[in-house]
Amino acid sequence: DAGVIQSPRHEVTEMGQEVTLRCKPISGHDYLFWYRQTMMRGLELLIYFNNNVPIDDSGMPEDRFSAKMPNASFSTLKIQPSEPRDSAVYFCASSLGGVLSYTFGSGTRLTVV
Amino acid sequence: QKEVEQDPGPLSVPEGAIVSLNCTYSNSAFQYFMWYRQYSRKGPELLMYTYSSGNKEDGRFTAQVDKSSKYISLFIRDSQPSDSATYLCAMGIQGAQKLVFGQGTRLTINP
Repeated sequence: DAGVIQSPRHEVTEMGQEVTLRCKPISGHDYLFWYRQTMMRGLELLIYFNNNVPIDDSGMPEDRFSAKMPNASFSTLKIQPSEPRDSAVYFCASSLGGVLSYTFGSGTRLTVV
Repeated sequence: QKEVEQDPGPLSVPEGAIVSLNCTYSNSAFQYFMWYRQYSRKGPELLMYTYSSGNKEDGRFTAQVDKSSKYISLFIRDSQPSDSATYLCAMGIQGAQKLVFGQGTRLTINP
């Protein structure tokens, strides 16, 4: 199994530009999570899906952030417009119905200049 | 106040030392207590977990949970340079899917 696959690994963009982060979960996993990690705030849950349906988006910082999961094998996190304070490492994780089976991707390091 | 508090360190110890990492929490509903290890530029990986209270040992690693004090610990014996990483505690509730993470402690084991 290739694990959770995220792309791109690194993204540098200018303030005001749209950024799209992508995630392919492990086949068969029914939960998908988007986390953001910064030095100051640690690892924060942004949103999670169950069977492609958004369940809890209370962690999404503001309307500039949106996430979709059009099918069981693909999810996107979009930031529009991006701001320097969005600079962080964004992780996608998937699980099979339980907190013990979380598997994280390698993350996307986003820098907004 | 954050639900889970963890000292971010950094913590630097010599090879062979015993390392103690700790977290406190405020939500008494937490039942799963987990430790993740994160190497540089990688995603976190589950190292150990404990359900409810008590101790759990796995090789050089021991996890302890004290629910009365809302305090969990991870001990690493005979620490090795390969243990150098960021260690994150995480907590969850049975039946719920979300994990709440601590800030992570950056640990360096010096040869």
